[in-house]
Amino acid sequence: GQQVMQIPQYQHVQEGEDFTTYCNSSTTLSNIQWYKQRPGGHPVFLIQLVKSGEVKKQKRLTFQFGEAKKNSSLHITATQTTDVGTYFCAGPPSGSRLTFGEGTQLTVNP
Amino acid sequence: EAGVAQSPRYKIIEKRQSVAFWCNPISGHATLYWYQQILGQGPKLLIQFQNNGVVDDSQLPKDRFSAERLKGVDSTLKIQPAKLEDSAVYLCASSPSGAGYNSPLHFGNGTRLTVT
Repeated sequence: GQQVMQIPQYQHVQEGEDFTTYCNSSTTLSNIQWYKQRPGGHPVFLIQLVKSGEVKKQKRLTFQFGEAKKNSSLHITATQTTDVGTYFCAGPPSGSRLTFGEGTQLTVNP
Repeated sequence: EAGVAQSPRYKIIEKRQSVAFWCNPISGHATLYWYQQILGQGPKLLIQFQNNGVVDDSQLPKDRFSAERLKGVDSTLKIQPAKLEDSAVYLCASSPSGAGYNSPLHFGNGTRLTVT
């Protein structure tokens, strides 16, 4: 079936290091959304990318949508302890339901 | 604006018992979703409503799960009878009307269900 894959599943970094998570779909996505879920919390919407090759920034976070609209990445520069959580990508493959990836769990050692 | 309200926050039941969850979406949001999130996994859509009509329930185990949104506002999700594998967090989300699958979701705090 249609899937949205994320790698890595886990990432442990030292505070100040950079972090990147990757999202790949088996089919073209009309848009890609990114969410952050803190431990014990609920997913919170971060950003939505719609255009092929789109790049958006939010302070230390950089989001990219691939040219083929099948992959995306989230990059965090100089991680802080407040960045701890699980980052999910989600996309609707070819007009289907919004499908979430399995998430990348980020831990930051102070 | 007030967020998506869900209750209860936690529920522990024995297998074969029934349970119900309640959700009140953000005011004015016509689309309401119920997701199941098993520990360590991403949220999985169970059912999507547009106003009081079902848009997508293809992943809802209809032999035991049911959901309704009678007046197009709040919604209930029921499980009867519960199985051990139903242990998960049940998340309700809402989005503005007419947004289809392109609109960002606003999630509630969820209900953590433990089936023993």
